[in-house]
Amino acid sequence: EPEVTQTPSHQVTQMGQEVILRCVPISNHLYFYWYRQILGQKVEFLVSFYNNEISEKSEIFDDQFSVERPDGSNFTLKIRSTKLEDSAMYFCASRAEAFFGQGTRLTVV
Amino acid sequence: DQQVKQNSPSLSVQEGRISILNCDYTNSMFDYFLWYKKYPAEGPTFLISISSIKDKNEDGRFTVFLNKSAKHLSLHIVPSQPGDSAVYFCAASVIIQGAQKLVFGQGTRLTINP
Repeated sequence: EPEVTQTPSHQVTQMGQEVILRCVPISNHLYFYWYRQILGQKVEFLVSFYNNEISEKSEIFDDQFSVERPDGSNFTLKIRSTKLEDSAMYFCASRAEAFFGQGTRLTVV
Repeated sequence: DQQVKQNSPSLSVQEGRISILNCDYTNSMFDYFLWYKKYPAEGPTFLISISSIKDKNEDGRFTVFLNKSAKHLSLHIVPSQPGDSAVYFCAASVIIQGAQKLVFGQGTRLTINP
C-alpha cells in the first residue's frame, strides 16, 4: 500500500536555527499539504501546494515558513528561525483523502 | 473560529457495544467529510468519508451519518473492539482556488473497556 514518508521522525533544534522537514508524498499525487499539531491541541492546516506553487496558506504560515519540491519527488517545509512555539508534530499529506505521513516531532529548545 | 467541533474530548465504551462519536460544523461550504483515527506517535489514519450528497456511508464496522440541515455528522463503530481505542478526528473539506483544504475538529479520545 502506498504511503507518505516523512524524515526525520524527531528533530531537536536550537531556537533561532533553521530546520527543514522532509516528505516523500505518494507518487502521482498532485496536491500536497503540511499540517501541525501542538501537544494537546487539534491538527491545524498550514499550507497546500499544487502545480509547484502554494494554493492556500493559513495565518500560521508566516514569512518564516516556506515549502518547495526541490527535485520533483520530495516536498519540504522549511522554518527559517525557529521559535519555542514551533514545537509540534508536523504532518505531511497528499491528495484528496489526505494520506498522512507518520509525522515529524520538532522540538525547539 | 472553530468551524469543526467535537464537543466530547473523551468517550468510554464497553467492548462489544456501539461507540458514537459526534462532530458539528458551521461552514455550509464544506462538501466532503472525513474521519481519521490516530494512535500515539503515529500520523492520522483515514477511516471513512462521506460526500455532502449522501446521508450515510458504511464500511464494515464503521458507519458515518451526515445530517446537513443540522450540520452534524457522527461516526458509529459497532461492535467496539479494544483496538479501536484511539483519538478520532473529524475533518471537513472545502475546495479553495482548486486545492482541497481540510479543517479538523479537536478530537475525541475513545477508550474501549474490556
